[in-house]
Amino acid sequence: AQSVTQPDIHITVSEGASLELRCNYSYGATPYLFWYVQSPGQGLQLLLKYFSGDTLVQGIKGFEAEFKRSQSSFNLRKPSVHWSDAAEYFCAVPKKGSSNTGKLIFGQGTTLQVKP
Amino acid sequence: DGGITQSPKYLFRKEGQNVTLSCEQNLNHDAMYWYRQDPGQGLRLIYYSQIVNDFQKGDIAEGYSVSREKKESFPLTVTSAQKNPTAFYLCASSYGQGGETQYFGPGTRLLVL
Repeated sequence: AQSVTQPDIHITVSEGASLELRCNYSYGATPYLFWYVQSPGQGLQLLLKYFSGDTLVQGIKGFEAEFKRSQSSFNLRKPSVHWSDAAEYFCAVPKKGSSNTGKLIFGQGTTLQVKP
Repeated sequence: DGGITQSPKYLFRKEGQNVTLSCEQNLNHDAMYWYRQDPGQGLRLIYYSQIVNDFQKGDIAEGYSVSREKKESFPLTVTSAQKNPTAFYLCASSYGQGGETQYFGPGTRLLVL
């Protein structure tokens, strides 16, 4: 079955340290890929997306992600974390076989805590 | 400003009561979606609509109903048949084509009295 896996449920990093959040997917082809961020009690905001072309994608708030076809991964990175980055992060791919509906499948989410 | 609004921010339901969550968008998007979010379970799709007067069940539609009478509006009713309605509900919209970004509203938290 199609799936999106975020192996880390909870990550804690110190402010100023680098960050990498993992995302693995099963799709059977090269999918579109998304990363969203959710602050507590809020909706989701798009950080970045990969459709095609350059496998290193730049997003908002200094985030980037790299698509690696051979590893079926789309990991999110930031070189220096700020306290305001504490939030929950979701990776998503379109639901296979529903290319005309825009339906997405989301990972379980990774909660990021930032230590001062 | 274009965006998606959801109301109310908090909603309380009594036993046996139906409640309706509002979702409005002014992005001129064709597709709209309702998700349920529970801790540790990510987002699960309840219903979606690709066009006015048409909607489809998602993965967890039981106990919920929707309507799509206007392009801008996609209200969700949580019926008394939904035995565990306490959750955070998120509405989203997109142009509805493959790979399009979904834009999310701020959410409604439903609590049972």
